[in-house]
Amino acid sequence: DTGVSQDPRHKITKRGQNVTFRCDPISEHNRLYWYRQTLGQGPEFLTYFQNEAQLEKSRLLSDRFSAERPKGSFSTLEIQRTEQGDSAMYLCASSSTSGGGLDTQYFGPGTRLTVL
Amino acid sequence: AQKVTQAQTEISVVEKEDVTLDCVYETRDTTYYLFWYKQPPSGELVFLIRRNSFDEQNEISGRYSWNFQKSTSSFNFTITASQVVDSAVYFCALSLNSGYSTLTFGKGTMLLVSP
Repeated sequence: DTGVSQDPRHKITKRGQNVTFRCDPISEHNRLYWYRQTLGQGPEFLTYFQNEAQLEKSRLLSDRFSAERPKGSFSTLEIQRTEQGDSAMYLCASSSTSGGGLDTQYFGPGTRLTVL
Repeated sequence: AQKVTQAQTEISVVEKEDVTLDCVYETRDTTYYLFWYKQPPSGELVFLIRRNSFDEQNEISGRYSWNFQKSTSSFNFTITASQVVDSAVYFCALSLNSGYSTLTFGKGTMLLVSP
């Protein structure tokens, strides 16, 4: 069973450029989460999907950020007009509701974004 | 709002020493879940354990053990006979019983185990 994968692993961009990250969850996991982690901090929740529906967005997710999960499989996170403050590790996690009760999230390796 | 505090920023030990990582949480909910994750230098968060607020039994898994005490709102993690491979950042996290598990993380404790 393959884990959560993310692409690219590293991205360096210039301020003002747009970037897009991809997350492939564990197969058959219907829930998908995006988190952002800055240096020396724990991950902070950005947004959550159940199947293809985006059910919650954090206040951290400004208008420059958009996330999609077409067909309830992979997800993309796009940042428009990047700023230096967007430099962080972007983590994706997936989970399944099939086991009943609260789900456990399994994380991918992350995409490290550096905005110059 | 919920909060997780990991007061220890960095801990250094020598191999084979026992080490305890502290976690204190705050929530007004009576039903909640606590987690520990390990983040090695590669960056991927690895799930270690999940406990719900109604189960205060301590748990042991190999060299790892967890002590959950609701009276002090703590969920501490002990590694017995530490090894170099245990070197990582360890995160404690809290989730409410809201139907899905948005995690609130602490700032993490970096554990350095030297040979």
